Amino acid sequence: AQRVTQPEKLLSVFKGAPVELKCNYSYSGSPELFWYVQYSRQRLQLLLRHISRESIKGFTADLNKGETSFHLKKPFAQEEDSAMYYCALSGREYGNKLVFGAGTILRVKS
Amino acid sequence: NAGVTQTPKFQVLKTGQSMTLQCAQDMNHNSMYWYRQDPGMGLRLIYYSASEGTTDKGEVPNGYNVSRLNKREFSLRLESAAPSQTSVYFCASSYLSYEQYFGPGTRLTVT
Repeated sequence: AQRVTQPEKLLSVFKGAPVELKCNYSYSGSPELFWYVQYSRQRLQLLLRHISRESIKGFTADLNKGETSFHLKKPFAQEEDSAMYYCALSGREYGNKLVFGAGTILRVKS
Repeated sequence: NAGVTQTPKFQVLKTGQSMTLQCAQDMNHNSMYWYRQDPGMGLRLIYYSASEGTTDKGEVPNGYNVSRLNKREFSLRLESAAPSQTSVYFCASSYLSYEQYFGPGTRLTVT
């Protein structure tokens, strides 16, 4: 059973438009959720984690336990946001490991 | 600091050939990981090593073996490559389990 679902393979938006990258998960217990990002020709890196409740590069993500979702949002997309985004889950069941979703390519058009 | 390094960057193998992917980190991390990245499948964990001297299977370990040579190095071996192992392979390391630092990847094609 897929534990982290990112329903969109590709999300294409215009510069200045709002962005929402969807992530749903299935996990019994208290998971930790993260977003990782891979920009073109760069390494995969941690963008944000739900516990920190930070805004990184204008992105925020709220953990909704009722809907088991952790969507990544940004009010105004920029061209430099174009990248591959992965949602990931960690929990006691998985020990020191992360479980990644399939990823969503975000393309911001000018 | 180089962070996480991987060699080679690209490799083409024929079915049945063997090879070892090398990974090293200079961040003094205890944990190291091998993933494969396939379109539509995301990143899937092959093997991981929580500390020097220990290794454990991940989600897709069949056809692979690993060696945690020392704290710095974690290698992935394909004993008899198959076309299904065509993928991009990433090594990662971490101190905290959730903040993993990734290498640049190895693009492997098996014909």
